[in-house]
Amino acid sequence: KNEVEQSPQNLTAQEGEFITINCSYSVGISALHWLQQHPGGGIVSLFMLSSGKKKHGRLIATINIQEKHSSLHITASHPRDSAVYICAVDMEYGNKLVFGAGTILRVKS
Amino acid sequence: EAQVTQNPRYLITVTGKKLTVTCSQNMNHEYMSWYRQDPGLGLRQIYYSMNVEVTDKGDVPEGYKVSRKEKRNFPLILESPSPNQTSLYFCASSFGQGLTQYFGPGTRLLVL
Repeated sequence: KNEVEQSPQNLTAQEGEFITINCSYSVGISALHWLQQHPGGGIVSLFMLSSGKKKHGRLIATINIQEKHSSLHITASHPRDSAVYICAVDMEYGNKLVFGAGTILRVKS
Repeated sequence: EAQVTQNPRYLITVTGKKLTVTCSQNMNHEYMSWYRQDPGLGLRQIYYSMNVEVTDKGDVPEGYKVSRKEKRNFPLILESPSPNQTSLYFCASSFGQGLTQYFGPGTRLLVL
């Protein structure tokens, strides 16, 4: 079993829809990251969370430490949101970063 | 402009020919790391460095070496590349482990 599981693997949405991507992990962590990778390949860090909730524009990220679960929400989705969204966790011990497999999001106009 | 740079961006080489991929950051970050990304396997950590002269193995260190002689640079060395090291490589840096990471643009490596 992977230490970081994401769902869904693929997601197609219509422009304007509310989108949720989920991340579950099985290890102790010091922080959780949400990353965005566009088709060109570059990776951008969207959020770093250790508790609670963060919001940036139309993006919201939440984490529940007790349930070992995080969600990334996109409100009023737009075709430019089409990308791969990757969850990654900083291990509590070992200074390592472990990644989920990613969620491929396509937003149609 | 705050950034992480990698060179080269694209490289085709042959088995056994030593190569170095450079990584440099201008943000005075202490933590730097190398990752490889492969279809179906996602991103995996190769090596990381907590500070100058402090490096440690990630999940897939076999066949790679790193050094951290200066704070800004963290080169990835493939002493004898093999075809299974064909991949997309990313360097990243941050002020510390657990903090926001800034990624380089990636290096596409093909080993024939």
